[in-house]
Amino acid sequence: DVKVTQSSRYLVKRTGEKVFLECVQDMDHENMFWYRQDPGLGLRLIYFSYDVKMKEKGDIPEGYSVSREKKERFSLILESASTNQTSMYLCASSLSTAVKTQYFGPGTRLLVL
Amino acid sequence: AQKITQTQPGMFVQEKEAVTLDCTYDTSDQSYGLFWYKQPSSGEMIFLIYQGSYDEQNATEGRYSLNFQKARKSANLVISASQLGDSAMYFCAMREPNTGNQFYFGTGTSLTVIP
Repeated sequence: DVKVTQSSRYLVKRTGEKVFLECVQDMDHENMFWYRQDPGLGLRLIYFSYDVKMKEKGDIPEGYSVSREKKERFSLILESASTNQTSMYLCASSLSTAVKTQYFGPGTRLLVL
Repeated sequence: AQKITQTQPGMFVQEKEAVTLDCTYDTSDQSYGLFWYKQPSSGEMIFLIYQGSYDEQNATEGRYSLNFQKARKSANLVISASQLGDSAMYFCAMREPNTGNQFYFGTGTSLTVIP
């Protein structure tokens, strides 16, 4: 079974803090994704990566950066957290070809005070 | 323009009845994939069903089937014999290989199954 894990289920941070959200997958998938989910807006893509050290901006990259130093790990970084970044963050991974699904982690609910 | 449109923010269905969740998509590509995911209140995203654009048969997975109407660009999810555990958010998604590896998601439909 594919497993995607995220470092925290719940996180509370203060405005201005640097926040790291970690995602690890164990199926040797090439592609990894970070989404944020807000009520009424569905899932919006922040960044994705199709290989080690490669990254592509999604629909809402502002205020975020990412790092992919190893194939299995994809980190989302909030350089200076703001209250409007309070959200649910979902990590996902997939193969690069013959893609029939993405596999999601359990999500991190981030609250920025 | 929205790639994926789900026009039903909320739906109710009686237990044991069937329900259809609507999804329309927008693409000019010939090759694409369509997906449905379920998200219970716990937050995890559960993959339900996949339909490839070249698949001639509608996809089915147990009580889930995808009503694929290519000309209308619709990919509705049909859940038969609803159960209380089906109460959740449901998301439709699309992947276009020609635009990279992105998935495009709709805004979701909240389904409540009534006993």
